Amino acid sequence: SYELGQPSSVSLSPGQTARITCSGDVLAKNYVRWFQQKPGQAPVLVIYKDTKRPPMIPERFSGSTSGTTATLTISGAQVEDEADYFCYSATDNNGGVVFGGGTKLTVL
Amino acid sequence: QVQLQESGPGLVKPSQTLSLTCTVSGDSINSANYYWSWIRHHPGKGLEWIGYIYYSGSTHYNPSLKSRVNISIDTSKSQFSLKLTSLTAADTAMYYCATVDDYGDSVEYWGRGTLVTVPP
Repeated sequence: SYELGQPSSVSLSPGQTARITCSGDVLAKNYVRWFQQKPGQAPVLVIYKDTKRPPMIPERFSGSTSGTTATLTISGAQVEDEADYFCYSATDNNGGVVFGGGTKLTVL
Repeated sequence: QVQLQESGPGLVKPSQTLSLTCTVSGDSINSANYYWSWIRHHPGKGLEWIGYIYYSGSTHYNPSLKSRVNISIDTSKSQFSLKLTSLTAADTAMYYCATVDDYGDSVEYWGRGTLVTVPP
């Protein structure tokens, strides 16, 4: 099991809104980050500090948190957003980072 | 923007030591803005943070790997390195270098990763 829980998959049609959740006790005290990974490519950070979007990341990507649950929202998902998405955050045990198990987003 | 590139052997024998290097470009490895991390992703399983080093040389390791891990930095070459000893098949994974830290309050960058296989 993972210290951060994510759904294994989410499927939707282009133009719909995707919501991917990440849950874990550490999220109540530490910032969550999300990265996108496509096959054979480097992971790309899409959200940091719970809600911040790095430069060059489309505005349709947004993040939110409530207690021990964080949500990555892709408003009007595009076919090119099809990828694996992972959340991660600091751990409370001796420092370091813990990860979610990843969510495979299918847009078709 | 920071670019990171991992390099090292793709196949390592059991009981041997893995040595990987990450070359940094786009910003100074001496920058106080980054923690230089190693992370691995086991095939079909989860991601695992291995540890990080700061430009000052201070390190922090995952307690579960601490006895086998050493991360070092060579500022003259803009590189940081990972050594993992006593390898077993359980160490087979994609290894990433990244600017991941404990705080999560700034943009982080990842390398493309390098696959390391340790045969049973």
